[in-house]
Amino acid sequence: KAGVTQTPRYLIKTRGQQVTLSCSPISGHRSVSWYQQTPGQGLQFLFEYFSETQRNKGNFPGRFSGRQFSNSRSEMNVSTLELGDSALYLCASSFDGAGLAGETQYFGPGTRLLVL
Amino acid sequence: AQTVTQSQPEMSVQEAETVTLSCTYDTSENNYYLFWYKQPPSRQMILVIRQEAYKQQNATENRFSVNFQKAAKSFSLKISDSQLGDTAMYFCAFMKFKYIFGTGTRLKVLA
Repeated sequence: KAGVTQTPRYLIKTRGQQVTLSCSPISGHRSVSWYQQTPGQGLQFLFEYFSETQRNKGNFPGRFSGRQFSNSRSEMNVSTLELGDSALYLCASSFDGAGLAGETQYFGPGTRLLVL
Repeated sequence: AQTVTQSQPEMSVQEAETVTLSCTYDTSENNYYLFWYKQPPSRQMILVIRQEAYKQQNATENRFSVNFQKAAKSFSLKISDSQLGDTAMYFCAFMKFKYIFGTGTRLKVLA
């Protein structure tokens, strides 16, 4: 079974631009979560999507948004990029996510975003 | 709100030795799950071990075991017979409806 894939793997943008990142979950998984990973901050939860609906949301500004398609693939968008948005963005999939207590998440390789 | 604290940013251990990584958390919940995830250099994060809070017995997976102290809200990871392949960033995570991760401990296994 193919693992979680994320595209692109690396991205360089300038301040003020917007960016869209993509995540394809493991086949059959319906939950996709997004995290921002920075040195010293660990993984910060952005949001979780399940069956095309946002089910949970972290404490990030509205510039960060996402969506999920009917095939469970998910996209994350960051508008008006700031220098502080430079990070590794990870997505993780699971069958039912928050709906199934204690379910393991499977992570993708991440997209490394550099904002200049 | 739940928080997870990993107080050791970096650790090192000699190959074949034992090392313990610390994790404490804060929650008012009674039923929840705790995890240790491993992120090797330039590789994907993978699950190391999982513990249900309602189980008193500590989880064990081969060379990896945890010391779960619910009253103290402590969840440490012990790696026995450390191997070079254990070199990685280790994240402790709390899960109740959503995951809360600690800031990680970078472990280096020395030959």
